[in-house]
Amino acid sequence: DIQMTQSPSSLSASVGDRVTITCQASQDISNYLNWYQQKPGKAPKLLIYDASNLETGVPSRFSGSGSGTDFTFTISSLQPEDIATYYCQQYDNLPLFGQGTKLEIK
Amino acid sequence: QVQLVESGGGVVQPGRSLRLSCAASGFTFSSYGMHWVRQAPGKGLEWVAVISYDGSNKYYADSVKGRFTISRDNSKNTLYLQMNSLRAEDTAVYYCAKDRADGTTLNDWGQGTLVTVSS
Repeated sequence: DIQMTQSPSSLSASVGDRVTITCQASQDISNYLNWYQQKPGKAPKLLIYDASNLETGVPSRFSGSGSGTDFTFTISSLQPEDIATYYCQQYDNLPLFGQGTKLEIK
Repeated sequence: QVQLVESGGGVVQPGRSLRLSCAASGFTFSSYGMHWVRQAPGKGLEWVAVISYDGSNKYYADSVKGRFTISRDNSKNTLYLQMNSLRAEDTAVYYCAKDRADGTTLNDWGQGTLVTVSS
């Protein structure tokens, strides 16, 4: 079975900072990776699909990159409304989520 | 716009059963695969099951295989999750989610319904 390792598990950054989260797969999953945002008490929201495609309506400060086993999610300039937990999700076989990264404002 | 509304959650004793429903609107329900995802209190997301647009294909996480059954009624625009032999570790918020196209990407989510398994 494919294992997903997401890091860091938590992150504190200042408004305006560039924030990076990584997700590593235990085997090659091509570009079969999505990124979701979950704000406290809310349902998750799709931000990035197929590793690097921005979902409609999602601000351009969010981006994704990578292929194979190593993937990166970036917020180019952190905004207060970006406080949330972020999850990667692979779909090489059945969907599998990473452990999540809780993002806080410093 | 897409709307997904879960219902059926509540408190249930270990070993008992519960059926969740997800009422869909704002899109052609019969054209899309649908998922269930759960989140235990304070924990991360766990994918539970997926069903194809016509109900012909169903897949489950190992943690629920043989106990949970996903189904759909396209005439009622409703998704279901029948949960049997419930365990304390099944306690979670259960979300239904619409698939983008091919069982890989969950692009619309409901607000969730809480299931608590406790004696």
